[in-house]
Amino acid sequence: AQSVTQLGSHVSVSEGALVLLRCNYSSSVPPYLFWYVQYPNQGLQLLLKYTTGATLVKGINGFEAEFKKSETSFHLTKPSAHMSDAAEYFCAVTSLGAGNQFYFGTGTSLTVIP
Amino acid sequence: GAVVSQHPSRVICKSGTSVKIECRSLDFQATTMFWYRQFPKKSLMLMATSNEGSKATYEQGVEKDKFLINHASLTLSTLTVTSAHPEDSSFYICSASLAGGPGELFFGEGSRLTVL
Repeated sequence: AQSVTQLGSHVSVSEGALVLLRCNYSSSVPPYLFWYVQYPNQGLQLLLKYTTGATLVKGINGFEAEFKKSETSFHLTKPSAHMSDAAEYFCAVTSLGAGNQFYFGTGTSLTVIP
Repeated sequence: GAVVSQHPSRVICKSGTSVKIECRSLDFQATTMFWYRQFPKKSLMLMATSNEGSKATYEQGVEKDKFLINHASLTLSTLTVTSAHPEDSSFYICSASLAGGPGELFFGEGSRLTVL
C-alpha cells in the first residue's frame, strides 16, 4: 500500500521568503514521487517528479524537491516566494506496477503575503 | 507535452437530470484515464479507472449506476452523472497517462458541476 502525508494544510510566507512544503510518503516498493500545483478552478499541473536517479530534482517556476529515502520524505522548496506561487500544492506517490494509480496527499494551500 | 482537455468546464443543471462530462487526450492515445472528484479544500478522490474498450473499475463507495463511465476510444472518456442531486455538486477532474508508465499524470482542466 502507498500513501502520502502532507504536513500543514495551510502555509503562509512573505514574498521573497523561502517556501517549504512538506511531504512524507509510505511505500513498500520504490516510490515514484510527484508534486502538482493547482490554481483555483483548474486542473493539476506537474511541478516536478522523482522516478530514479538524482535525488534532488528541479522543476518549473524555480521549485525543487529532494527525495530522502531514510526520512521517507519529498519536501518541496523554493528559495524565494513570488505572489504567483499562491496556489494549492499536492504531493503524490505511485510505483512501477501500480497501473499508474496515484495516491495524493490532502494538499497544502500556500499563501504569499506581499 | 501531453494535453488533456475536459468539457464542459462549468455546468449547472436541475436536480434529477443527467450530465455528461467529456475528457479527451488531444495529442496522445490514452488506454487508461482516471476520474477524480474534488471537494472544496480537499484532496482528489479517485472515483474510477477508465480502460478503453472495457468496463471501468470503480473505487469502493462510488456508485456505478450514479457515475457512468465510458471509454469508447483511445482519446475519449466520458463521465455521466445520472439523476444528479445537489450533493453531486463538485469539481470533477480527469487525467490520463502515457503508455509505458508509470509516468506523470496529465490532468484536464476540471469540470465544475452545480446541481440546483
